[in-house]
Amino acid sequence: EVQLVESGGGLVQPGRSLRLSCTASGFTFANFAMHWVRQAPGKGLEWVAFIKSETYGGTTEYAASVKGRFTISRDDSKGIAYLQMNSLQSEDTAVYSCARGSGIYRAPIDYWGQGTLVTVSS
Amino acid sequence: EIQLTQSPSSLSASVGDRVTITCRASQGISNYLAWYQQKPGKVPKLLIYGASILQSGVPSRFSGSGSATDFTLTVSGLQPDDIATYYCQKYNSAPWTFGPGTKVELK
Repeated sequence: EVQLVESGGGLVQPGRSLRLSCTASGFTFANFAMHWVRQAPGKGLEWVAFIKSETYGGTTEYAASVKGRFTISRDDSKGIAYLQMNSLQSEDTAVYSCARGSGIYRAPIDYWGQGTLVTVSS
Repeated sequence: EIQLTQSPSSLSASVGDRVTITCRASQGISNYLAWYQQKPGKVPKLLIYGASILQSGVPSRFSGSGSATDFTLTVSGLQPDDIATYYCQKYNSAPWTFGPGTKVELK
């Protein structure tokens, strides 16, 4: 069974940093791209970041709203994806979910984690 | 950057009704479009990919059509379990933008 479990969320002050982790199990992590998606309270889904598997070069992509502040990475040997979030702003408050891309690049998301809440507030 | 719009933003329908949701891309994306269903408090579920391919395990009352810029999700015979918000998403290239969502309620 595919499982994605996020951790690392919490309350953080504006301008500070936070690192989220996503621990994967039930599939060969190295064979799949990974995404981070967020959902602000009562709002829709917002795609945040993408990373190809290390086998395919580990290429990363970012939403314009987080580019230069957030960094996605992965450790295929541990089956973990990360999202380093710097210079956090109140607009970044959301539930952050990791999600599996069903292919290498041009592929939909087929599994989602339950998410971890990030609250940016003083 | 390609934008996705959805219409309507919400709808109210009765059990058994045929429900149609439209997703429009500001530029052509071929058939690289997916539809997701999200129930309150739950994670999204992939329904359709490749604009018209039904994900394994999804009931056949769901169907998708379209290409390039105009896409449609149809529920043929709405069931109480279909009450949810539906999102389209493009995945031809970054950014993997989602549409704003369509909330489906029971009349």
